[in-house]
Amino acid sequence: GQQVMQIPQYQHVQEGEDFTTYCNSSTTLSNIQWYKQRPGGHPVFLIQLVKSGEVKKQKRLTFQFGEAKKNSSLHITATQTTDVGTYFCEGSGGSNYKLTFGKGTLLTVNP
Amino acid sequence: NAGVTQTPKFQVLKTGQSMTLQCAQDMNHEYMSWYRQDPGMGLRLIHYSVGAGITDQGEVPNGYNVSRSTTEDFPLRLLSAAPSQTSVYFCASSYTPPGRTDTQYFGPGTRLTVL
Repeated sequence: GQQVMQIPQYQHVQEGEDFTTYCNSSTTLSNIQWYKQRPGGHPVFLIQLVKSGEVKKQKRLTFQFGEAKKNSSLHITATQTTDVGTYFCEGSGGSNYKLTFGKGTLLTVNP
Repeated sequence: NAGVTQTPKFQVLKTGQSMTLQCAQDMNHEYMSWYRQDPGMGLRLIHYSVGAGITDQGEVPNGYNVSRSTTEDFPLRLLSAAPSQTSVYFCASSYTPPGRTDTQYFGPGTRLTVL
């Protein structure tokens, strides 16, 4: 079945450093969504990527969807303490648009 | 709009007890889902509904029942609680089928401990 692997599981950075999390799917995805979950909070939608090779930016966040639509990345430039949380990818694929979440990357930022 | 609401926020049960986790949304969304979140496991789908009267199983349905009598409400029932069901439970809703929409809206979660 469809599996979505997300790495790394944890990432600790100094404030101002960059951060990247990667998602890789075992099957071709129709689209991929990214969510952020603050500690003790609930997942909040960040963005959806649909097109092969798509790149979207939200201020310091850059999202990419691979050409083969099997991988995606989220890059944060110059992290801030407000970026702390777990970042999840959620892949949709197959004829029934089956949804699969990655296990998330927990980002901690040292001020 | 209140969005997606869940009650209770916290619950402690003894093994064998039953209870219902409540979920409601006021966005007229057809699609609703229940997830559990465990450390290192990410979000796993328990049950989902594509509309009133229609439910289906997700990845980890054992020990849970759902029903969808109205568009707004999607309760999750634990029939006989077990320690393995200690988790954080999230309800989510979306206007279009998950995977075809640009977002799922998540509730604040219910933190359940089974002793």
